[in-house]
Amino acid sequence: AQSVTQPDIHITVSEGASLELRCNYSYGATPYLFWYVQSPGQGLQLLLKYFSGDTLVQGIKGFEAEFKRSQSSFNLRKPSVHWSDAAEYFCAVSGRYGTASKLTFGTGTRLQVTL
Amino acid sequence: NAGVTQTPKFQVLKTGQSMTLQCAQDMNHEYMSWYRQDPGMGLRLIHYSVGAGITDQGEVPNGYNVSRSTTEDFPLRLLSAAPSQTSVYFCASSPRDSGANVLTFGAGSRLTVL
Repeated sequence: AQSVTQPDIHITVSEGASLELRCNYSYGATPYLFWYVQSPGQGLQLLLKYFSGDTLVQGIKGFEAEFKRSQSSFNLRKPSVHWSDAAEYFCAVSGRYGTASKLTFGTGTRLQVTL
Repeated sequence: NAGVTQTPKFQVLKTGQSMTLQCAQDMNHEYMSWYRQDPGMGLRLIHYSVGAGITDQGEVPNGYNVSRSTTEDFPLRLLSAAPSQTSVYFCASSPRDSGANVLTFGAGSRLTVL
């Protein structure tokens, strides 16, 4: 069965500092990988996705993520965090469309940004 | 452009009561799904639909029913509410050509069962 592990429940960074949120997945074939962000009281919004090709993917709001097959990881990064980035971040994995198209989410990492 | 609309935003039920959470999308998306979000557990799939007239169970379907009579609407019914169903519920939709994985979420419905 597919699974996602986000080892950090809560991370605090200073505004302007760099950010890396960790995500490890388990999936038997080439996965589809996603990062979603949830602001307080809101639904989730897609930040970026990896389907195939270049392993470094760019997303919205200046975020990027790198797919590393050898490490089964898909870590999210941002060079300089803004106070508005404070939110909860979810990594997710799925199979290819037509086989296992249901998303499996990690438990989330809550990001706090100090001024 | 409303996207995915969920109603109600908040609801309090007594154990044993039934209710329906409404979900509507105006993007003509084929794929719709319901998730519940509980602290420390991320999002878990309850039921999903790949098109009108087609539904299937997700990871945690017990105690919930769904139907999909139109492309736009995907209501979630709680048959006999239990305290374990206290949660935040999210409806999501996706176009088929995204691989049914690029989801647009509603703002959520917070349900408390006493």
